[in-house]
Amino acid sequence: RKEVEQDPGPFNVPEGATVAFNCTYSNSASQSFFWYRQDCRKEPKLLMSVYSSGNEDGRFTAQLNRASQYISLLIRDSKLSDSATYLCAVNRGDMRFGAGTRLTVKP
Amino acid sequence: NAGVTQTPKFQVLKTGQSMTLQCAQDMNHEYMSWYRQDPGMGLRLIHYSVGAGITDQGEVPNGYNVSRSTTEDFPLRLLSAAPSQTSVYFCASRPRQGIYGYTFGSGTRLTVV
Repeated sequence: RKEVEQDPGPFNVPEGATVAFNCTYSNSASQSFFWYRQDCRKEPKLLMSVYSSGNEDGRFTAQLNRASQYISLLIRDSKLSDSATYLCAVNRGDMRFGAGTRLTVKP
Repeated sequence: NAGVTQTPKFQVLKTGQSMTLQCAQDMNHEYMSWYRQDPGMGLRLIHYSVGAGITDQGEVPNGYNVSRSTTEDFPLRLLSAAPSQTSVYFCASRPRQGIYGYTFGSGTRLTVV
């Protein structure tokens, strides 16, 4: 079992839809958590950190549940430009990534 | 401010050849890591470093060596290339404080034939 697991997807949604990604991690000593966005044939780019109290950045909301060891990312009012692969990352001294979930937003 | 710079961007090697992938960052970050990315496998950690002179193994270290003689540079050496090492390699760096995520280089696409 991988240390960080994500919904495999792909997710195909219409513009304006709300979409949620989940990610679970197995190392309870994990310290900090992140969501990255990766466009095709590009490097991953940090989308947002995930704080214990939950945090929001525009249309994006990230949440952490330490007891159940999962993090989530909610995207509201999806745009065509949101089409990408979303990776969760868990810092447990070194940083481990999930395999990513591909999102395609269609007109 | 260049961020994380990786060279080369593309490379084709023959089985058994050795080579070094270069990575340099100009942000004075303590932490640096190497990942490989294969279809459906996500990013897998090869080696990482928490500061100059300190390195450690990640998930898939076999066939790779690293060293960290300066804060800025973290080269990855392939000792004897194998077709299984065909992949996209990303170098990344971050500050010591764990609240910061990694900044990635643009990657090296390596093909071993």
